[in-house]
Amino acid sequence: GQSLEQPSEVTAVEGAIVQINCTYQTSGFYGLSWYQQHDGGAPTFLSYNALDGLEETGRFSSFLSRSDSYGYLLLQELQMKDSASYFCVWREGGKLIFGQGTELSVKP
Amino acid sequence: NAGVTQTPKFRVLKTGQSMTLLCAQDMNHEYMYWYRQDPGMGLRLIHYSVGEGTTAKGEVPDGYNVSRLKKQNFLLGLESAAPSQTSVYFCASGINYEQYFGPGTRLTVT
Repeated sequence: GQSLEQPSEVTAVEGAIVQINCTYQTSGFYGLSWYQQHDGGAPTFLSYNALDGLEETGRFSSFLSRSDSYGYLLLQELQMKDSASYFCVWREGGKLIFGQGTELSVKP
Repeated sequence: NAGVTQTPKFRVLKTGQSMTLLCAQDMNHEYMYWYRQDPGMGLRLIHYSVGEGTTAKGEVPDGYNVSRLKKQNFLLGLESAAPSQTSVYFCASGINYEQYFGPGTRLTVT
């Protein structure tokens, strides 16, 4: 079967670094994306990894290891506005399959 | 650019009623998608389209129909609404891994 596993909740303090892990089990693999969603609003694209390694975009980085079927999203210098849900997303052809999401709470 | 817009933003239906949700995008994307999101869950793909005049089923297509008569519009129809279809519906357009989402339609079926 196909599945994406990520923690349901993570809590961190302002200014800290947090890592949200994602493990996947899929029949085919085209790449792993990360999306952010605030309070049920429209999800927004953060990053994409098609190959192994680290992709950096400002305070956010995403990592992929295809041999381990594992990826993570790293958020640095946490700010209160980073409190949101984060989804790892698997791409199959033209479709995106979303994980259940990780709710990140940033405390002062 | 407006990006992706959805109409309506809110709707309450009685069981058995039908309705159509409209999605429009002005980014000239070939691919468009309809998702539903239930409380505390990720998004689940209902139907998608890879171009004008084409549609395909996603993970949860039952009870829904779609049409893509124009490249910029993607319509989602509920033939006979059921309480299980109470959800937030998101439309998106994009290319492969990067999709742009509309603000959502909050639908309640009583």
